[in-house]
Amino acid sequence: DQQVKQNSPSLSVQEGRISILNCDYTNSMFDYFLWYKKYPAEGPTFLISISSIKDKNEDGRFTVFLNKSAKHLSLHIVPSQPGDSAVYFCAASSYSGGGADGLTFGKGTHLIIQP
Amino acid sequence: KAGVTQTPRYLIKTRGQQVTLSCSPISGHRSVSWYQQTPGQGLQFLFEYFSETQRNKGNFPGRFSGRQFSNSRSEMNVSTLELGDSALYLCASSLEAGTGYEQYFGPGTRLTVT
Repeated sequence: DQQVKQNSPSLSVQEGRISILNCDYTNSMFDYFLWYKKYPAEGPTFLISISSIKDKNEDGRFTVFLNKSAKHLSLHIVPSQPGDSAVYFCAASSYSGGGADGLTFGKGTHLIIQP
Repeated sequence: KAGVTQTPRYLIKTRGQQVTLSCSPISGHRSVSWYQQTPGQGLQFLFEYFSETQRNKGNFPGRFSGRQFSNSRSEMNVSTLELGDSALYLCASSLEAGTGYEQYFGPGTRLTVT
């Protein structure tokens, strides 16, 4: 049973526009969420995180929104740039539970920025 | 500051053999976690080490094991390799234990079992 779901395997967006990547989770114990970006032949790179006590966190062009009642989070990239083309992973953990179960990842969304 | 390093980057083994992968965390990071990435299952948590102790283990058979040294470097071992063990093995380090701290990943070791 997949506890973190990224239902869009791929997403194509024009350069300069907004990219919105979505993620749903089922485990109510998750209280800390992260987004990672991965280029081919490299490990995932941490982008941004959000604790369940917040509903928004912003870092430059990246903003993550959390809707706890819907168990949904999204990553907004504005404006999208060619270097943003990569696979984006949503991850979740139970921080208040000590996070001892590691991060639970979604299967990723391949974002393609078109010129 | 140097990132997480993993050796070797690529490895080919045959069924039944065993393999040891190595991970050096970012300087000052005391926690090392291991993940397996496959096309079908995505990224899955293997185990986390902190202060030379395994904190927890994901849903993997006992053939998968690891250890951490006093300098925080970690190794993982897979015994009696099976074809299904072919995967990218990623190591991640963080300042402290648990996932309340951002984890920084290495480039991975690509293991192919034939």
